Amino acid sequence: SQTIHQWPATLVQPVGSPLSLECTVEGTSNPNLYWYRQAAGRGLQLLFYSVGIGQISSEVPQNLSASRPQDRQFILSSKKLLLSDSGFYLCAWSARAGAGELFFGEGSRLTVL
Amino acid sequence: DAKTTQPPSMDCAEGRAANLPCNHSTISGNEYVYWYRQIHSQGPQYIIHGLKNNETNEMASLIITEDRKSSTLILPHATLRDTAVYYCIVKGHQTGANNLFFGTGTRLTVIP
Repeated sequence: SQTIHQWPATLVQPVGSPLSLECTVEGTSNPNLYWYRQAAGRGLQLLFYSVGIGQISSEVPQNLSASRPQDRQFILSSKKLLLSDSGFYLCAWSARAGAGELFFGEGSRLTVL
Repeated sequence: DAKTTQPPSMDCAEGRAANLPCNHSTISGNEYVYWYRQIHSQGPQYIIHGLKNNETNEMASLIITEDRKSSTLILPHATLRDTAVYYCIVKGHQTGANNLFFGTGTRLTVIP
C-alpha cells in the first residue's frame, strides 16, 4: 500500500532563517506531488505541484521554493523565512495529474518568530 | 474560486446519521463532487466522490440531486472520531494542475 511521510512534524524558526521540509511517498511510482499551506482557521492553499522529477509549478508568488530531486521525494525550502510563512504545511500525492483524490501527509507545523 | 457553499458548523448526536449539505449551483457537466475531512492537526482525508449517481463506500454515502446543484454527505452512524471539518469540492477531471479548492468547510461536532 502507498504511504506518505513528511517531516519535521513541528518546528519553530526565527525570521530570516532557512527552511527545509521533506516529503516522501512509498509504494507508488511517478506520483504527482503537491505542497499546500494552511494558515490558522483558513482553507488550504496550493503552493507547488510536480508531475515528475525536476518539474515544479508554482501557484503563488512567495519566498518559498520546491524541488523534486527523486521520483518520490518532494522538498519545500526557503532561504529566509518571514513571519507570514507560519502555518501548517501539507504534502500530498495523487496517482495522476488532475486527479481529485489526493492523499495527504501528517503535516508540518511551522512557527516563525 | 469558491464553487461550493457549506454551513460553517453542525452538531450530531453520537450514533445518529450526520447529513452534511453542500450547494454547488454553478457546477458544470464534467465536474465531480469530492468530499474530504480534516481532523484537528492532521492532513485532509479523502472520503468519496461522485458525478451524478449516488455513491457509497465504507466511510460514507454521497447523494447528489438530479439537477446536480447540491449534494449531501451522509455518515450513517456518527462516532466521536468523526468530529472534523468536512470539505465539499467540485472539480473537473482535466489534465494539468490539481485545482482542488478547499474552502472553510463545515465543522461537524459529534456529541456524546
